[in-house]
Amino acid sequence: GAGVSQSPSNKVTEKGKDVELRCDPISGHTALYWYRQRLGQGLEFLIYFQGNSAPDKSGLPSDRFSAERTGESVSTLTIQRTQQEDSAVYLCASSLGSGVGYGYTFGSGTRLTVV
Amino acid sequence: AQTVTQSQPEMSVQEAETVTLSCTYDTSESDYYLFWYKQPPSRQMILVIRQEAYKQQNATENRFSVNFQKAAKSFSLKISDSQLGDAAMYFCAYRSANGGSNYKLTFGKGTLLTVNP
Repeated sequence: GAGVSQSPSNKVTEKGKDVELRCDPISGHTALYWYRQRLGQGLEFLIYFQGNSAPDKSGLPSDRFSAERTGESVSTLTIQRTQQEDSAVYLCASSLGSGVGYGYTFGSGTRLTVV
Repeated sequence: AQTVTQSQPEMSVQEAETVTLSCTYDTSESDYYLFWYKQPPSRQMILVIRQEAYKQQNATENRFSVNFQKAAKSFSLKISDSQLGDAAMYFCAYRSANGGSNYKLTFGKGTLLTVNP
């Protein structure tokens, strides 16, 4: 596609429920990233994919968070047993490669609200 | 670990005037990249300008320019002839040029810029 697409745009869920957030990167982009943006904060790195592998999961805040990528394309971020502190905007980005010469293209994010 | 600090949570400017947003960072690395991103209400992060640390010349993109002071670890963004469409959150970000983790961006907390007509 022309850009990075994320769905849903907004999600309201009850505490304790599981949620899945989807990211469709630009076709051909091998690197994919998830970041979290809490209210009033900068973006925090969550996870990085190169192809379908995740060499760096160091930013995932707890074992309730997991992510996968298939077909070197779509990625899904899953949050199990959501808590109120999980409320944030989750941003996905992709790039042609992972080297510093490759710039990121961001999606518009999913705003998750846990009530 | 690298850190990025934006000390101005909010700034305002009159249309057509000039405004400067501040950013400082902390790193032990000598080779890295610095960025300013704009985040409008649409939430999509848009790259405004990029500076390579080994280049002494300050980057410029149309009305946007930076003042990069490597020794002081300072990287400010100047917006000239401010326009209503410049109103947004602005984030300063750091990216290592070293192979180990050069895929990762480290962000400041952002500065909310308001442009008054």
